Amino acid sequence: DAGVIQSPRHEVTEMGQEVTLRCKPISGHNSLFWYRQTMMRGLELLIYFNNNVPIDDSGMPEDRFSAKMPNASFSTLKIQPSEPRDSAVYFCASSFYGRSGSTDTQYFGPGTRLTVL
Amino acid sequence: RKEVEQDPGPFNVPEGATVAFNCTYSNSASQSFFWYRQDCRKEPKLLMSVYSSGNEDGRFTAQLNRASQYISLLIRDSKLSDSATYLCVVKHSSASKIIFGSGTRLSIRP
Repeated sequence: DAGVIQSPRHEVTEMGQEVTLRCKPISGHNSLFWYRQTMMRGLELLIYFNNNVPIDDSGMPEDRFSAKMPNASFSTLKIQPSEPRDSAVYFCASSFYGRSGSTDTQYFGPGTRLTVL
Repeated sequence: RKEVEQDPGPFNVPEGATVAFNCTYSNSASQSFFWYRQDCRKEPKLLMSVYSSGNEDGRFTAQLNRASQYISLLIRDSKLSDSATYLCVVKHSSASKIIFGSGTRLSIRP
């Protein structure tokens, strides 16, 4: 079974450039999460979707960050313009949430290591 | 105050030792609890869920203390391969939002 797929795995860009991170969740999962991980701040939830609808984006740092989920099998996280402090590992995770007996396990993708120079 | 707090460690213990660490949470309405494991430069992976009655999976035992609002993880007969960061995870009663602790680093030495 294919797990959560993220691309690119590594991204190096210059300050001011637009960065787009991509995620394909596990087929059948209806919840998708974007996280950012740094040494200083640990793993932070940025935004999560349920059935393609953003439920909570309170973790999105500022207007430079935006996320979309146009369909059940694809999501993007965009940073425009990027800044050096955005350098981090960005993880996408998916899970299945159901009314009766939800499965709480989140399955993480391998992450995108972003470096903004 | 963080909603989920863990001792960052590192815990440095010899192979074969028993090691335990706790995680405290502040929201009494928290509903579900988990331990995830993260290896260096890898993604977090579910280690085990934590049930009210406590649960065991091989060398790993997880406990929940709702009165004191903490969960614990005990590792017996530790192996070199147990070296990792262990993340405490708490789920609220609202749909799908979960909170990760910052993790406890464990290093097992030969």
